[in-house]
Amino acid sequence: GQNIDQPTEMTATEGAIVQINCTYQTSGFNGLFWYQQHAGEAPTFLSYNVLDGLEEKGRFSSFLSRSKGYSYLLLKELQMKDSASYLCAVSGLKGGATNKLIFGTGTLLAVQP
Amino acid sequence: GAVVSQHPSWVICKSGTSVKIECRSLDFQATTMFWYRQFPKQSLMLMATSNEGSKATYEQGVEKDKFLINHASLTLSTLTVTSAHPEDSSFYICSARDTSGRFGETQYFGPGTRLLVL
Repeated sequence: GQNIDQPTEMTATEGAIVQINCTYQTSGFNGLFWYQQHAGEAPTFLSYNVLDGLEEKGRFSSFLSRSKGYSYLLLKELQMKDSASYLCAVSGLKGGATNKLIFGTGTLLAVQP
Repeated sequence: GAVVSQHPSWVICKSGTSVKIECRSLDFQATTMFWYRQFPKQSLMLMATSNEGSKATYEQGVEKDKFLINHASLTLSTLTVTSAHPEDSSFYICSARDTSGRFGETQYFGPGTRLLVL
């Protein structure tokens, strides 16, 4: 089966660092994505990991361990505008079909002053 | 780069009518587009995969006769909600995957269409 788990909610302080974890169990794996979604808006792409290790992009970093089925998104120097839902999504291959994204339920991050 | 547009952004319709939503990739070609639905405080649920020049692939539980998908060109996919009912009210989001390889396997999302059926 397909299963992606991430915490439902997190709270952090402006200027701090927060790590959002994601664990997955999928029938196939062709990459893991992190998206940011503000309330009432569509998701925007943050990062893509297909190999093990850390990908850094400005204040955002994403880590992947394929053997553990684990990823995290690290947000540094938090700003109020970072308050949003963060979606972990896995691209899985199923019988050669088009790579579909399987989404977790999202982690709602609240950044407080 | 990698911009996806959706139209309309908002639609309110009466029960029983049909609504068409357009999804366009503006600066890249997409042989594959995806249609999602999102209810309040829930994650995105994939409805169907839209393939240019062929029939769409629907997820289990999604009625293909109710949600008609047409992918007539490499930059346009449409979703028609036929005979809409209040339970179809939701946030519909499309995404497109750039097949040229410039953006890897990443799916880029349109801004979404909020549908309210009265």
